[in-house]
Amino acid sequence: ETGVTQTPRHLVMGMTNKKSLKCEQHLGHNAMYWYKQSAKKPLELMFVYNFKEQTENNSVPSRFSPECPNSSHLFLHLHTLQPEDSALYLCASSQDWGSSYNEQFFGPGTRLTVL
Amino acid sequence: KNQVEQSPQSLIILEGKNCTLQCNYTVSPFSNLRWYKQDTGRGPVSLTIMTFSENTKSNGRYTATLDADTKQSSLHITASQLSDSASYICVVSGGLYTGANSKLTFGKGITLSVRP
Repeated sequence: ETGVTQTPRHLVMGMTNKKSLKCEQHLGHNAMYWYKQSAKKPLELMFVYNFKEQTENNSVPSRFSPECPNSSHLFLHLHTLQPEDSALYLCASSQDWGSSYNEQFFGPGTRLTVL
Repeated sequence: KNQVEQSPQSLIILEGKNCTLQCNYTVSPFSNLRWYKQDTGRGPVSLTIMTFSENTKSNGRYTATLDADTKQSSLHITASQLSDSASYICVVSGGLYTGANSKLTFGKGITLSVRP
């Protein structure tokens, strides 16, 4: 295992529901990331947190709301999603955000289906 | 615009055979290039990282090459095994530091199926 866990692994929700995805890393890293992975598309970076502070928000719709209470935990709160939001949501962590040489360690992902 | 193109999109080979996966990029300036392996139902795992001055790097049966002049990389898999069935993703970093000025650029991935 990579040291990054995600729950739940699968989630089915209606467009009016509110749900949260959870990510936890046991690697002592300082940076955490949310990615969206859709079929036949490259990974899309959504949010970056470094030392609990949000450093990047790549024009993500407000129906996705991240939360990083400490360097080990990252949440993605979901509300009023659209069917096109169905995808695999990956969490990753790295030693810090400052160097591109730092390897990102990914969790197994949450497979989200929006009905 | 920074882009990473991978080919072929998918590949089927017989167990024990070799194969080569291609990655072409237009990212500039260039810092490093990683190959990730993503098994079904799991997140990507880094196989190799290569910087500008490195031409070849091996990780077991995986050998990555880099030609920074032509902006091409390849991942060669030797004596393939069933466990090599996965998606292989090429990721290029456009600068020394991650962030708004040098985001990682991901390829779409190559789906490799190894058949017995």
